[in-house]
Amino acid sequence: GAGVSQTPSNKVTEKGKYVELRCDPISGHTALYWYRQSLGQGPEFLIYFQGTGAADDSGLPNDRFFAVRPEGSVSTLKIQRTERGDSAVYLCASSLTITGEPYEQYFGPGTRLTVT
Amino acid sequence: GNSVTQMEGPVTLSEEAFLTINCTYTATGYPSLFWYVQYPGEGLQLLLKATKADDKGSNKGFEATYRKETTSFHLEKGSVQVSDSAVYFCALSRPNTDKLIFGTGTRLQVFP
Repeated sequence: GAGVSQTPSNKVTEKGKYVELRCDPISGHTALYWYRQSLGQGPEFLIYFQGTGAADDSGLPNDRFFAVRPEGSVSTLKIQRTERGDSAVYLCASSLTITGEPYEQYFGPGTRLTVT
Repeated sequence: GNSVTQMEGPVTLSEEAFLTINCTYTATGYPSLFWYVQYPGEGLQLLLKATKADDKGSNKGFEATYRKETTSFHLEKGSVQVSDSAVYFCALSRPNTDKLIFGTGTRLQVFP
């Protein structure tokens, strides 16, 4: 079956511009996560959704970052007024549930964002 | 706070050598522990996990034991192959919060 997909795979934008990154989770997965991975670092948590609601957005670095999941499936990460420091690979993951025994998170291939 | 520390890479080994990649953690409560692997050109994949003290996770010949007394979760494999060349990430999640906290990753290079 299809895994987690992310589009675009690469995005180059100018400082100050607005970008949207899309994630299509595995069908039926209720939990969806966004992480950010800078060069030479491990992924850092940004936000997760249980269904349509953001259950934890404590990792969003500031109010320029926002994410939605209006129908409980596809999610969009939105970054306003991009800065060069936002350059990173943005990873999306999905899993079956959020409570109890930790279910495996399935990761997408990521979107490489470059802010020039 | 909660954090994961892994040995720096790259780790360079000959085929059939023994592998250890060290991982230690700091966490409140009793976290679950994971090893993820990223093969060249591919996304992160779960390699193994352990959810409580003294549990041993194993997969594809890799093993790691949850050691609460030393707050460690070292990854081992008895005989590595060239195909094991990848970046390995140790991670934890605290109870009831499945968000993962990752280490910085360790690159493994295996030569024939």
